[in-house]
Amino acid sequence: EAGVTQFPSHSVIEKGQTVTLRCDPISGHDNLYWYRRVMGKEIKFLLHFVKESKQDESGMPNNRFLAERTGGTYSTLKVQPAELEDSGVYFCASSFPMTGELFFGEGSRLTVL
Amino acid sequence: SQKIEQNSEALNIQEGKTATLTCNYTNYSPAYLQWYRQDPGRGPVFLLLIRENEKEKRKERLKVTFDTTLKQSLFHITASQPADSATYLCALEAGNMLTFGGGTRLMVKP
Repeated sequence: EAGVTQFPSHSVIEKGQTVTLRCDPISGHDNLYWYRRVMGKEIKFLLHFVKESKQDESGMPNNRFLAERTGGTYSTLKVQPAELEDSGVYFCASSFPMTGELFFGEGSRLTVL
Repeated sequence: SQKIEQNSEALNIQEGKTATLTCNYTNYSPAYLQWYRQDPGRGPVFLLLIRENEKEKRKERLKVTFDTTLKQSLFHITASQPADSATYLCALEAGNMLTFGGGTRLMVKP
């Protein structure tokens, strides 16, 4: 069975441009999370979907970040316009309800120049 | 404020020895705690989950303890191997999300 897949694996953009990251969770996982790791810091929560609904988006840094999960399947995270401090690795994770264990993707590395 | 502390310095041990990693937290009352392994350039991989009413959990060469009074978890790898070299992350349940520590890098030398 395929794991959590993320695309692209690495994106290099100029400040002010837009980037969209995509995450395909494991089939049947209702819970989908976005996390981010910036250089030298711990992995930090961004937001949580249950199916297509945003359960918690308290970790989103500001309104330049927009996450969607249409139809409760794959999710996208758009950064518009990107700033230098947005550079980091963005991880997506999914899980069954109530199990606690998260299955992570390999991450999308974003570099903003 | 809430804080999760893992030793940020790398832990270097000899193959065959037991590695012990520490996770301390403040201002949390987690229902469970998890440990993940992360290799360079990869996503975290789940290892073990221990609940607040459990003192110890084992899986093969791995053992986790959870002391809610001390607010501490210890993660042990017995008979360590070079292949165990990685960064190990502890993560606490915080409502409907996990909150991660900064991780400890383990280096097992042959």
